[in-house]
Amino acid sequence: NAGVTQTPKFQVLKTGQSMTLQCAQDMNHEYMSWYRQDPGMGLRLIHYSVGAGITDQGEVPNGYNVSRSTTEDFPLRLLSAAPSQTSVYFCASSNDHNQPQHFGDGTRLSIL
Amino acid sequence: QQQVKQSPQSLIVQKGGISIINCAYENTAFDYFPWYQQFPGKGPALLIAIRPDVSEKKEGRFTISFNKSAKQFSLHIMDSQPGDSATYFCAAWASGTYKYIFGTGTRLKVLA
Repeated sequence: NAGVTQTPKFQVLKTGQSMTLQCAQDMNHEYMSWYRQDPGMGLRLIHYSVGAGITDQGEVPNGYNVSRSTTEDFPLRLLSAAPSQTSVYFCASSNDHNQPQHFGDGTRLSIL
Repeated sequence: QQQVKQSPQSLIVQKGGISIINCAYENTAFDYFPWYQQFPGKGPALLIAIRPDVSEKKEGRFTISFNKSAKQFSLHIMDSQPGDSATYFCAAWASGTYKYIFGTGTRLKVLA
């Protein structure tokens, strides 16, 4: 059982670079979301999707883009990396919006 | 109104003791309250969850107590073990919002 798979696990970027964090789930879940985790701030929602072709903004969406072309995949794009985006990023999925979320193991991103 | 306030920030408990983590909320529309456990280098994993139509839910050594009138809920870990050492997050969900709101986390250390 793969569950939610995030790649890469670690990444170092320079300010201004762009990159895509990958997230894939094999549970046929409709609801997927991206969070960032920073010390003392818990998990903050960046973007979420309630199904293929449908995405919406969370609490901290600025500087990030998402798309959902398939049920399985929900990539997160950093358009122009900034040091403030240094964080641990988690992807999660659930079979409905009010059901327990399954998290991946995160991507640790450092922006220099 | 969307915040979930979690305390304490850190907690040290002797093996066999009781660990208690508290959360408070303002939004009366919240209707699902999960607790997540996170080990270093891993994503959060659902531990136990409660809905506001019950005042207590127990699963093994883990119990959620829910006080609807006070808008508070807490996690009790009985007979705490060193393997319980982790970060714990409370969360809240309001139907129709598609958004989980997480507390800031409690780092629990259980001494052997």
